[in-house]
Amino acid sequence: QKEVEQDPGPLSVPEGAIVSLNCTYSNSAFQYFMWYRQYSRKGPELLMYTYSSGNKEDGRFTAQVDKSSKYISLFIRDSQPSDSATYLCAMSAGNSGGSNYKLTFGKGTLLTVNP
Amino acid sequence: SQTIHQWPATLVQPVGSPLSLECTVEGTSNPNLYWYRQAAGRGLQLLFYSVGIGQISSEVPQNLSASRPQDRQFILSSKKLLLSDSGFYLCAWRKTGTLTFYGYTFGSGTRLTVV
Repeated sequence: QKEVEQDPGPLSVPEGAIVSLNCTYSNSAFQYFMWYRQYSRKGPELLMYTYSSGNKEDGRFTAQVDKSSKYISLFIRDSQPSDSATYLCAMSAGNSGGSNYKLTFGKGTLLTVNP
Repeated sequence: SQTIHQWPATLVQPVGSPLSLECTVEGTSNPNLYWYRQAAGRGLQLLFYSVGIGQISSEVPQNLSASRPQDRQFILSSKKLLLSDSGFYLCAWRKTGTLTFYGYTFGSGTRLTVV
């Protein structure tokens, strides 16, 4: 079983739709959870960050972490064509167990928002 | 503010030729530095990371090597490129000396095509 699983898509939605992106993981030591957005031919940029369980909201973006189910989600409300990108989940156990802040990534989901 | 510079943006090299990709970080001291490769459908693969000058850890045995000659400089090299070395190479850094982990910051990447 891979440490982090992410549906690669592609996912195509109309402008204004609510988008749900998800990742599952197997390592119960993970406590830092992130979502990166990567535009074509660019480096990933940090979009959302969550420590431990719970929800975090930033504008049209909401990140959810359910550690009991080992499941994280990113919701995008009122999606825009400018949201078209690859979204990568990433997680880390921090410095516990000698992890040394290693970040483990999902393979990314390609999202297209059609005007 | 902290910035990361990575160059060149694009590179086309013949098989068997050497490689040198450079990454520098500004505005911070003693960062952790990372080299990733991103291939289509395979996600982000960690190649090397460094916690200090001259300290290099290799994650995947391969045709590449890394060096850190200065605190904020990270170099990815190869003596003889293979076709399989083609990909999108990303440098990243992590701020150290804090109790909080906010993930990695990535450079803009180098797209390498070996022909």
